[in-house]
Amino acid sequence: GQNIDQPTEMTATEGAIVQINCTYQTSGFNGLFWYQQHAGEAPTFLSYNVLDGLEEKGRFSSFLSRSKGYSYLLLKELQMKDSASYLCAAIDSNYQLIWGAGTKLIIKP
Amino acid sequence: GAVVSQHPSWVICKSGTSVKIECRSLDFQATTMFWYRQFPKQSLMLMATSNEGSKATYEQGVEKDKFLINHASLTLSTLTVTSAHPEDSSFYICSARDTREGLENEQFFGPGTRLTVL
Repeated sequence: GQNIDQPTEMTATEGAIVQINCTYQTSGFNGLFWYQQHAGEAPTFLSYNVLDGLEEKGRFSSFLSRSKGYSYLLLKELQMKDSASYLCAAIDSNYQLIWGAGTKLIIKP
Repeated sequence: GAVVSQHPSWVICKSGTSVKIECRSLDFQATTMFWYRQFPKQSLMLMATSNEGSKATYEQGVEKDKFLINHASLTLSTLTVTSAHPEDSSFYICSARDTREGLENEQFFGPGTRLTVL
């Protein structure tokens, strides 16, 4: 079956760094997304990885290892506004998105 | 570019009535649009994939006669919740896949429609 695993909740301190992990098992693989979702809002796109390695975009970086079925989202210099759910989603061979349940990130002052 | 709008943003209706939600790609063409549903504190659940000019493909467990999807043009898809009941209350989100080369794997999300059925 197809499955995405990520932690349910994480807590971090303002100004610190946090890494949110995601493991996936899909029928075929055409890339992996990370989305940010604030409560009551639609998800917003953060990153897309299809090749192994690290993609950096400002304070956010995303890493992919296809051989391990593993990705992580790295958030640096955390700000209070980063408190949100972070969704990992993989694209399968039919170009369908397989969603994780999301990781709720709580930032403390 | 790549903006997706949804209308209405929120709707309250009585049990038994039908509600139509529109999803529009404002500055690009989308041959494929997706409809998701999200219950509180849960992940997005794909309901159906809508392809322009053809019938939608529904996920297992989603009643196609209850959730009518029409994708009549490259910029508009509609979801009609027929005979809505309180258990249909949810956040409905659409996304659109851009047809432009290099963007085919990216989905752009609408802002969502919050449906409350009394």
